[in-house]
Amino acid sequence: KNQVEQSPQSLIILEGKNCTLQCNYTVSPFSNLRWYKQDTGRGPVSLTIMTFSENTKSNGRYTATLDADTKQSSLHITASQLSDSASYICVVSQEGGTASKLTFGTGTRLQVTL
Amino acid sequence: NAGVTQTPKFRILKIGQSMTLQCTQDMNHNYMYWYRQDPGMGLKLIYYSVGAGITDKGEVPNGYNVSRSTTEDFPLRLELAAPSQTSVYFCASSYSRDRGREQYFGPGTRLTVT
Repeated sequence: KNQVEQSPQSLIILEGKNCTLQCNYTVSPFSNLRWYKQDTGRGPVSLTIMTFSENTKSNGRYTATLDADTKQSSLHITASQLSDSASYICVVSQEGGTASKLTFGTGTRLQVTL
Repeated sequence: NAGVTQTPKFRILKIGQSMTLQCTQDMNHNYMYWYRQDPGMGLKLIYYSVGAGITDKGEVPNGYNVSRSTTEDFPLRLELAAPSQTSVYFCASSYSRDRGREQYFGPGTRLTVT
């Protein structure tokens, strides 16, 4: 069964600190992995996409990594800001899949405090 | 561009009532999707459409119906509301084959069935 597991479930950090969110998946065959940011009361917004051949990709203060061998991804947030408070969702797409072949993680809820 | 818009934002239904959740996108996307998001769970696909006149079931279609008469609109119909349908509903859209099919989400509709 295709699964995406994220950890931790929730996280509280001080503004300015760094943090790393984890995503482990069992989706096969793998196509790509996206990280979405979901602000409270809003829909998810894509941060970055990782394909099989990519190890690292950055989007501002967000850096995603992918290890396709171990089926793990991480999202590193540098110098956190209050506006980073949100849920971060890992979504894995299946190769050759139709529109239905996406598996969503349950998300990590991040709270950045003063 | 307004992107993906959803109405209403909030709704309370009594058991057995029916309603339609509206979704419109102005990005000329072929693919559209309906998801539900329950507390502590990943998004679950209800129905999706790959173009006007074409719809297909997702992971959790029971109790819902959809139609796609135009490229822009993809309404979701609940015929006999049940408490199990209390959830937050997200509509999304995407290009058919672009960058791993990034999905653009609407702001969501929070539905309570009592």
